[in-house]
Amino acid sequence: KAGVTQTPRYLIKTRGQQVTLSCSPISGHRSVSWYQQTPGQGLQFLFEYFSETQRNKGNFPGRFSGRQFSNSRSEMNVSTLELGDSALYLCASSSDNAYEQYFGPGTRLTVT
Amino acid sequence: AQSVTQPDIHITVSEGASLELRCNYSYGATPYLFWYVQSPGQGLQLLLKYFSGDTLVQGIKGFEAEFKRSQSSFNLRKPSVHWSDAAEYFCAVDPYGGSQGNLIFGKGTKLSVKP
Repeated sequence: KAGVTQTPRYLIKTRGQQVTLSCSPISGHRSVSWYQQTPGQGLQFLFEYFSETQRNKGNFPGRFSGRQFSNSRSEMNVSTLELGDSALYLCASSSDNAYEQYFGPGTRLTVT
Repeated sequence: AQSVTQPDIHITVSEGASLELRCNYSYGATPYLFWYVQSPGQGLQLLLKYFSGDTLVQGIKGFEAEFKRSQSSFNLRKPSVHWSDAAEYFCAVDPYGGSQGNLIFGKGTKLSVKP
């Protein structure tokens, strides 16, 4: 079974732009969570989607948003990028009856 | 406040030596507990998990962890470290029993292995 995939793997954007990151979960997994990883703050939860509905949201500004499609693929969007948004963005998926999350390789976003 | 603490930022061990990475959490009930490993530039790989039952759990790559309720700890161990174990290790807690997809992570412990 293929793992969690994330595209693109690397991205360079300019301050003020917006960006969309994509995540394809493991086949059959309906829950997708997003995390931001930075050297200073570590791993922080952004939001979680299940069956196209956002079930939970972390403490991030409204510039961070996401959505999930009927095939469980998910996207996250960051608008009006700031230098501090430079980070590794990780997506994870889990199945309905299991509690562990499986992570993708991440998207490295650099904001200049 | 709810938190996960990994007191050691960086640990260096010799190849073949034993390893113990510490993790403490502060939650009222027993949460679901996990250890993940991250190699440079990579995502997180699940090493092992604890939900309930036997407090000593076995994982992949020869790792094990022991849950101690009285100490609110979930320490990761390996009897003999290999050079390929050099990576960063994260302890994580799910305080909601898997219902909200929200893991709380410690700051991580970077493991270096001396030849």
